[in-house]
Amino acid sequence: GDSVTQMEGPVTLSEEAFLTINCTYTATGYPSLFWYVQYPGEGLQLLLKATKADDKGSNKGFEATYRKETTSFHLEKGSVQVSDSAVYFCALSANQAGTALIFGKGTTLSVSS
Amino acid sequence: EAGVAQSPRYKIIEKRQSVAFWCNPISGHATLYWYQQILGQGPKLLIQFQNNGVVDDSQLPKDRFSAERLKGVDSTLKIQPAKLEDSAVYLCASRGTGTTGELFFGEGSRLTVL
Repeated sequence: GDSVTQMEGPVTLSEEAFLTINCTYTATGYPSLFWYVQYPGEGLQLLLKATKADDKGSNKGFEATYRKETTSFHLEKGSVQVSDSAVYFCALSANQAGTALIFGKGTTLSVSS
Repeated sequence: EAGVAQSPRYKIIEKRQSVAFWCNPISGHATLYWYQQILGQGPKLLIQFQNNGVVDDSQLPKDRFSAERLKGVDSTLKIQPAKLEDSAVYLCASRGTGTTGELFFGEGSRLTVL
């Protein structure tokens, strides 16, 4: 079945460091890909998404490019801030109406000043 | 626009007791999901509703879990009897129309089974 694999955490960085969180997927067809973020004490919220190959999703300085050839959707940010400390989840959804999201295990990011 | 509402936020029960969680999705969202998130893991789908019909409940432990969505709006998720391994955060999400529509999540209901 469809699945998502994320790099293990926690990831600990200093402020202004470069961030990469790896995500690869297994799916039949051409899924949509998502990054969700969960800040401490809050619910999951969409960070960015891409719906077809070579699309780049971006938001709040974060970017991820849908790479069909490597079945990857790695999350990057050029300069992290303390406020980016959160758990990041990669997810996919088969491109059918109403299909549920399948999530990776999540990667905890901790940024220190 | 009001978000997805869930209650209670926290619940502590003894094993073999029962518990119920409530979810009110975003107005107009026909699709509603219940996910289980065990500590250190990603959310796992339990059940998906389209209006008041079940679309997918293949991962719902039906011997102890039940869910309903009367009138296609609010939903309740019940666990009876609870086991220690049911300790988790139960997330409700809703989705608007379109094949790539974003899921909107509530803050979740954290269950501790002692």
